[in-house]
Amino acid sequence: QSALTQPASVSGSPGQSITISCTGTSSDVGGYDYVSWYQQHPGKAPKLMIYDVSNRPSGVSHRFSGSKSGNTASLTISGLQAEDEADYYCSSYTRSSTLVVFGGGTKLTVL
Amino acid sequence: QVQLVESGGGVVQPGRSLRLSCAASQFTFSSYGMHWVRQAPGKGLEWVAVIWYDGSNKKYADSVKGRFTISRDNSDNMVFLQMKSLRAEDTAVYYCARDPGDGSWYLQHWGQGTLVTVSS
Repeated sequence: QSALTQPASVSGSPGQSITISCTGTSSDVGGYDYVSWYQQHPGKAPKLMIYDVSNRPSGVSHRFSGSKSGNTASLTISGLQAEDEADYYCSSYTRSSTLVVFGGGTKLTVL
Repeated sequence: QVQLVESGGGVVQPGRSLRLSCAASQFTFSSYGMHWVRQAPGKGLEWVAVIWYDGSNKKYADSVKGRFTISRDNSDNMVFLQMKSLRAEDTAVYYCARDPGDGSWYLQHWGQGTLVTVSS
């Protein structure tokens, strides 16, 4: 069982917006602004999409945005495109001895 | 362009050891913390270990504590993961990843991964 909870799957049609949630506790997501999101296409390494809750690395589309409320972080993808179909993972710093935790991942299907 | 290249994966019997390496280039290696993250076949990402930029601190996931050791050689731009007493559940693709170097906790750059299969 992952430390952070994500929905197993979400789907949307091209052009629509979707949101993926990531629920933790006050020891991780709720306690620090160190939430990040990663995109992973099949057979590829993960790619950083959002860091420190809502910051986008250079080169990542503005269609990707992040936010946080309490113990739940969210990744929103607007104007869905076929190439957005991938697995998405959230991660957070945690005050536990392990320091870093991941969510179980969410499979995004673009219909 | 930051480059991280893992090596050392392969098939190993349960109970045996294996050492993974990650060669870093195109950045000042000694200024960044380095992580190992693994992904079992068909499963999600699992954080494994981190080593501070100067090697002064190391942290591990509970699932590998006492069996895995992370280390680095800043003169050679390398980070290692020594794995002992391997179990079937350690079978995974192992990625090395670099942190942003500013005290934040995210994985800015990733290698392509190396597959470790623990099987008799």
